[in-house]
Amino acid sequence: GNSVTQMEGPVTLSEEAFLTINCTYTATGYPSLFWYVQYPGEGLQLLLKATKADDKGSNKGFEATYRKETTSFHLEKGSVQVSDSAVYFCALSNYGQNFVFGPGTRLSVLP
Amino acid sequence: GAGVSQSPSNKVTEKGKDVELRCDPISGHTALYWYRQSLGQGLEFLIYFQGNSAPDKSGLPSDRFSAERTGGSVSTLTIQRTQQEDSAVYLCASSLNLLSPSDEQFFGPGTRLTVL
Repeated sequence: GNSVTQMEGPVTLSEEAFLTINCTYTATGYPSLFWYVQYPGEGLQLLLKATKADDKGSNKGFEATYRKETTSFHLEKGSVQVSDSAVYFCALSNYGQNFVFGPGTRLSVLP
Repeated sequence: GAGVSQSPSNKVTEKGKDVELRCDPISGHTALYWYRQSLGQGLEFLIYFQGNSAPDKSGLPSDRFSAERTGGSVSTLTIQRTQQEDSAVYLCASSLNLLSPSDEQFFGPGTRLTVL
């Protein structure tokens, strides 16, 4: 079946530090991959997505590249801000099947 | 409306009572999902619909939980004989088509359920 594994949190960084949140997946066929973000007190919203191998999704300075050879979709940002403090969820969607979410990684950025 | 809406936004109930949670998906979205999120936890998948059909009910925690969708639009999640462990935020999401994996899910604001 389909599954998503994320690095365990919480992750605490200082402002302007480099961020990587690892995400790997197991799936048959050609799933689409997503990162969702949940800011404190808010609902989940899409951060970025990639629909085929080698695609790079990007938004708000965040990037993730769909790597089929390593079944990964790691989230990166070169310089985090306090406002990036949130919970980040990696997810996949496969043809005709339900979305699968990872457990979430809580990021705290300190000034 | 423009987004997914859920009602009520907050529900406080007594143990043993039944509750009904409602989700209005984005117009035209054929796929609808229910999740549960306990405080500080990840998403727990409950059930999804393609149209009015629910192909996978395995995520429902017990037979006290049921869900239906009518007219390919509004969905209700019913919890009978609520227990304190049912307290959580119940999230609904919709996407254009389950058969299109590139379609993102759009989430509603959630219903916060508190069972006393």
